[in-house]
Amino acid sequence: DTAVSQTPKYLVTQMGNDKSIKCEQNLGHDTMYWYKQDSKKFLKIMFSYNNKELIINETVPNRFSPKSPDKAHLNLHINSLELGDSAVYFCASSPSYGSYEQYFGPGTRLTVT
Amino acid sequence: AQSVTQLDSQVPVFEEAPVELRCNYSSSVSVYLFWYVQYPNQGLQLLLKYLSGSTLVESINGFEAEFNKSQTSFHLRKPSVHISDTAEYFCAVRSSQGGSEKLVFGKGTKLTVNP
Repeated sequence: DTAVSQTPKYLVTQMGNDKSIKCEQNLGHDTMYWYKQDSKKFLKIMFSYNNKELIINETVPNRFSPKSPDKAHLNLHINSLELGDSAVYFCASSPSYGSYEQYFGPGTRLTVT
Repeated sequence: AQSVTQLDSQVPVFEEAPVELRCNYSSSVSVYLFWYVQYPNQGLQLLLKYLSGSTLVESINGFEAEFNKSQTSFHLRKPSVHISDTAEYFCAVRSSQGGSEKLVFGKGTKLTVNP
């Protein structure tokens, strides 16, 4: 059983397009996150949701819009994709807000051409 | 703001040799520290954590890390590495700022174990 899953695993698209990445966790956790890992492997938090409510928004461009339809899902929609958006995007979850053991998904490698 | 610095971007070692991956932190509040491991083409997994209590923490696969307050360090060690330990290792610190809590990761250390 996959604890945190993401789709798609790979995403190749052109500049200016709009794309979505989906994340689901079956751990019963309350808190979910989106991270961006750049080409140098630097990992930075983008968003955090707790019980479907936005808790953290790390000054991410408003082209990025997360959406949490329920506690088990956190999707990421990106408008007007730019070259600099190319990265690996990781979804993660934790039992509750402030719980620091986070469980990561396998990542979505986004390539913008 | 809390931060971590991983002093080595790459560490190559031979199998069965000891290894130390260095991490220094900056924090003005009580410190929660973590090591995460990322195997090739996978997400991160928690390796070990220091929240309080004993300054020496251990993982199930032979790694250990020691919280050293005077040196603001949380170095990761293993006395004898295996090929399967080849991975990227991330040190992280709990950051509390403006009412929000999050993990702040270092830039990672790539450990390569050679036969």
